[in-house]
Amino acid sequence: AQKITQTQPGMFVQEKEAVTLDCTYDTSDPSYGLFWYKQPSSGEMIFLIYQGSYDQQNATEGRYSLNFQKARKSANLVISASQLGDSAMYFCAMREGSGGSNYKLTFGKGTLLTVNP
Amino acid sequence: EPEVTQTPSHQVTQMGQEVILRCVPISNHLYFYWYRQILGQKVEFLVSFYNNEISEKSEIFDDQFSVERPDGSNFTLKIRSTKLEDSAMYFCASRDTFGYGYTFGSGTRLTVV
Repeated sequence: AQKITQTQPGMFVQEKEAVTLDCTYDTSDPSYGLFWYKQPSSGEMIFLIYQGSYDQQNATEGRYSLNFQKARKSANLVISASQLGDSAMYFCAMREGSGGSNYKLTFGKGTLLTVNP
Repeated sequence: EPEVTQTPSHQVTQMGQEVILRCVPISNHLYFYWYRQILGQKVEFLVSFYNNEISEKSEIFDDQFSVERPDGSNFTLKIRSTKLEDSAMYFCASRDTFGYGYTFGSGTRLTVV
């Protein structure tokens, strides 16, 4: 079974509108972390936002927020007020286990976001 | 802001040649990783490294691959005899103790011809 599922291969949004990128995850570990990364066409991986499994509140970082629904095992990324520079590939990733352990990130297949002017 | 540095940014090599990809992790990070991304595909875990030894490796990380931390700052990935299918972007990452911050380098784009 896929650990991280991103069902939207591509998304389009108008500049200044909000967009939601979907991510569902599968784990039986009670302790885990969820991450979103942005990969522009230049190729680097840019960290956007983190949500811990025990965090009571949804994470926010500027225009990025994470809609964390633990019972549904979903961790959708919401980008508010889209900008042309937001056009990129977006990856959802999960770390299973506590942060003190040497655990890898497992990535989804990504969603290619295109922001139209 | 601290960053992970990878060199070279691009490398073209002949099939069968050895390549060494270099990384300088963030100085106070203790956990190190290599990932691979074949063009247009997902990011795949290769190996994790802690306390001067491999913690975990994927099935991709076969005997052709090795990692080393030769000094206090560098972390290297060696591919002994490159194949065409090794062509990919290779990312180094390092992580803080708490597990919140996985920082990736800018990647090395390896092309095997």
